[in-house]
Amino acid sequence: EDKVVQSPLSLVVHEGDTVTLNCSYEVTNFRSLLWYKQEKKAPTFLFMLTSSGIEKKSGRLSSILDKKELFSILNITATQTGDSAVYLCAVDGNNRLAFGKGNQVVVIP
Amino acid sequence: DADVTQTPRNRITKTGKRIMLECSQTKGHDRMYWYRQDPGLGLQLIYYSFDVKDINKGEISDGYSVSRQAQAKFSLSLESAIPNQTALYFCATSDPKQGGTGANVLTFGAGSRLTVL
Repeated sequence: EDKVVQSPLSLVVHEGDTVTLNCSYEVTNFRSLLWYKQEKKAPTFLFMLTSSGIEKKSGRLSSILDKKELFSILNITATQTGDSAVYLCAVDGNNRLAFGKGNQVVVIP
Repeated sequence: DADVTQTPRNRITKTGKRIMLECSQTKGHDRMYWYRQDPGLGLQLIYYSFDVKDINKGEISDGYSVSRQAQAKFSLSLESAIPNQTALYFCATSDPKQGGTGANVLTFGAGSRLTVL
C-alpha cells in the first residue's frame, strides 16, 4: 500500500517568516511527486517533481525532491496571509495519486 | 464555465437514502477519479476510471458505486447513505498523454459537500 506522510500537520507563523513543509513517501513504481494548495475549495496544482535535486520555483515557493531518501520539501519564504492554506503532497505510483493528510499553514499578520 | 463541474455542490440527506453525485468535464481527459476528504485526513481515493469501459476500486470503495456514462461523465452513488459518509467529495480528471510530460496532474472540480443525518 502506498504511503505519504506529511509533517508538520499544522503550524502557525507570522508574516515574513519562512515555512518548510515535509513529505515522505513509500510507493511502488514511483513516477512523480506533486504539491497542491487548498484554500477551503478545490486543490490547485503547484509543482510536479520527477528528478532528484532539481529545485522547482514559483515566486516565493520552491520545492525539491530526494528520490534516494524518499522525501520532498516545500519552502515558502517571506510568508503572507494569502499563503494560509492546506498544502497537499501526492505521489503518483501505479497510475494513481496517493495523498498525504496535508500541512495546514496559518499565517498571522 | 469550469473545466470540471460537480453537481450538486451541497446536499443534505437522511440515513438510508440513495444519493448520486455527478461529474462532467470539458477537458477531454480520459481518466476520472472520485476522492473523499474528511477534516485532517487528506484525500482518499474512492473509485477511478481510465476510460469508459474501465472502473477500478480505490482505497475506500465500500458503500459506494460509480458509473462512467461517457468520456466526459463520471457519477458516484451512495446506495444507502449513512452518517459516516458525511464528507466533501471531489471529482478529478487527468490525462498523462497531454502536455508531453507523462505526468498525472489532476484537475479538480469544486467539490460536493454531502451531509447525511
